[in-house]
Amino acid sequence: NAGVTQTPKFQVLKTGQSMTLQCAQDMNHNSMYWYRQDPGMGLRLIYYSASEGTTDKGEVPNGYNVSRLNKREFSLRLESAAPSQTSVYFCASSDGGTVTYEQYFGPGTRLTVT
Amino acid sequence: GENVEQHPSTLSVQEGDSAVIKCTYSDSASNYFPWYKQELGKRPQLIIDIRSNVGEKKDQRIAVTLNKTAKHFSLHITETQPEDSAVYFCAASRGQYGNKLVFGAGTILRVKS
Repeated sequence: NAGVTQTPKFQVLKTGQSMTLQCAQDMNHNSMYWYRQDPGMGLRLIYYSASEGTTDKGEVPNGYNVSRLNKREFSLRLESAAPSQTSVYFCASSDGGTVTYEQYFGPGTRLTVT
Repeated sequence: GENVEQHPSTLSVQEGDSAVIKCTYSDSASNYFPWYKQELGKRPQLIIDIRSNVGEKKDQRIAVTLNKTAKHFSLHITETQPEDSAVYFCAASRGQYGNKLVFGAGTILRVKS
């Protein structure tokens, strides 16, 4: 089991460019999440998908869009990157509470917007 | 919405001593409280969690206590070791399907040998 995988690991964008962060899980989890992590601020939820076919906003959704492509994959899109979006992005997945509430995190994507 | 505050922001202890990290939450409907450990450059990993129907939970050198009335919960690490050095995050949620965690800002724990 690879668990939760993310691509790319690192990315540098210029202001105004767009990109999509990819996330996949092989644990047959129902729920998937995108967080951003900034120094001194912990992890903040951007968007989540409770189950395939549904998505919903978290604490900091502005400037982002998501797609739950299928049960395995959940992508995060930045349409017009801004320096304030410089951060480390983590994808996570969980069973959704049917067995456990534990969230499993991917290795992260370090994004710099210049 | 939920707000989670975590203290202290940094904690230095001598190897073998105990470490305590405290969190408070605002939403009385929250009923799931996990703790995550994040080593430098790595992903967060769950180390222990507690649900609101339990006051305390232990796993070897790690324990979590919950006071629902006061809306606070704490992580206790006994007999600290250098490999315990990391950033620790508390979180809270309503524990429902599609579990929206709200995290504290984190505590940097340094264990000096």
